Amino acid sequence: QVQLVESGGNVVQPGRSLRLSCAASGFSFNDYAFHWVRQAPGKGLEWVAVISYDGSDKYYADSVKGRFTISRDNSKNTLSLQVNSLRVEDTAVYYCARAFVVGATNFDYWGQGTLVTVSS
Amino acid sequence: QSVLTQPPSMSAAPGQKVTISCSGSSSNIANNFVSWYQQLPGTAPKLLIYDNNKRPSGIPDRFSGSKSGTSATLGITGLQTGDEADYYCGTWDTSLSAGVFGGGTKLTVL
Repeated sequence: QVQLVESGGNVVQPGRSLRLSCAASGFSFNDYAFHWVRQAPGKGLEWVAVISYDGSDKYYADSVKGRFTISRDNSKNTLSLQVNSLRVEDTAVYYCARAFVVGATNFDYWGQGTLVTVSS
Repeated sequence: QSVLTQPPSMSAAPGQKVTISCSGSSSNIANNFVSWYQQLPGTAPKLLIYDNNKRPSGIPDRFSGSKSGTSATLGITGLQTGDEADYYCGTWDTSLSAGVFGGGTKLTVL
């Protein structure tokens, strides 16, 4: 069955970095685009970034542009999000989600999320 | 402030019908497909409607979606207590080259 499992969340100080991962299984990973979506405690969903099926197209929310980098390794069925220069407002549960193409938000499968807490 | 606008909360009695609106613009809803998600407390969002009005396998036909111009609507009929959740609309914004969500609607079934 389709599974997306995030990892890498942690408690970090402002300005530090983290690398989040999303391990996929149960389907053909390189047929899909992948998005990161985050949710701050008690708040709504915020779209973060997307990468195309082959990694050639990437787009970011303005709030993370220049600090976050999305990537994928199709040989390892893994999606990653490098998060640098973390700010308190980046505190959130980060979800990876599958979609058919970059410009679609029909996320049919989501991971369980990984919590990033940015605090001094 | 979310790009897409939803009512923050709605309530209705069991068995009744509710419609949740999602308002956007020409750069997002009007020219892209809309999806709807249900999020129960402590869980990941779940896809309810995609491509404006299609239901994934396993989603009951009590849930429906529609779109007209720059607005979209989620309809839920025969409300059940288990439908109490947060509901989000989402789409792609062509001008921003970014995904966008509504702020979410907390549905109470009382």
